[in-house]
Amino acid sequence: DAKTTQPTSMDCAEGRAANLPCNHSTISGNEYVYWYRQIHSQGPQYIIHGLKNNETNEMASLIITEDRKSSTLILPHATLRDTAVYYCIVRVHGSGNTGKLIFGQGTTLQVKP
Amino acid sequence: DSGVTQTPKHLITATGQRVTLRCSPRSGDLSVYWYQQSLDQGLQFLIQYYNGEERAKGNILERFSAQQFPDLHSELNLSSLELGDSALYFCASSEEKTYGDTQYFGPGTRLTVL
Repeated sequence: DAKTTQPTSMDCAEGRAANLPCNHSTISGNEYVYWYRQIHSQGPQYIIHGLKNNETNEMASLIITEDRKSSTLILPHATLRDTAVYYCIVRVHGSGNTGKLIFGQGTTLQVKP
Repeated sequence: DSGVTQTPKHLITATGQRVTLRCSPRSGDLSVYWYQQSLDQGLQFLIQYYNGEERAKGNILERFSAQQFPDLHSELNLSSLELGDSALYFCASSEEKTYGDTQYFGPGTRLTVL
């Protein structure tokens, strides 16, 4: 079972920041937080991941709370092409651990003009 | 473009038939994962191969099997197909370093069983 909780859906105005929350209150110390998105029926697209520090890349920023029980994915300037289902996933790294991703229902983000 | 390729894009077949889905991982990636996405089950992990060896199994039916070849491409074989096997099938690949092994997904194969 997925170990994360996300809102089912969210709306965002085009050009504004989209803030997608994720609760992972049972996260273990060696589990990373990953974000993927799926646009329509395309293959899931990797966005960003982090362990405990905030992370930023060309797509998004990831803010992880100090207790690591929740995180927020930030798309700084949402466009219509960011409309997708966003998945927050926690998983362990390291050899010997199966790297399977456990997908929940995700958050459907609708960016509106 | 993730660098992962899957063929065919679409497949339509009849119940009881057998099909093979193919996945080519990103250059340098040793690990291949297969996932199934159906309307009622969401995205589910099926099986993982690492450098030719099976590493992990998920909710994969006995009618389904997979293998990874020496050139690291992988095939997912689905036999005795049923209507309920209609779904999107994705493969993903990763370098499988000791620390840090992001999975990159292919575009998927849409299987329709009539």
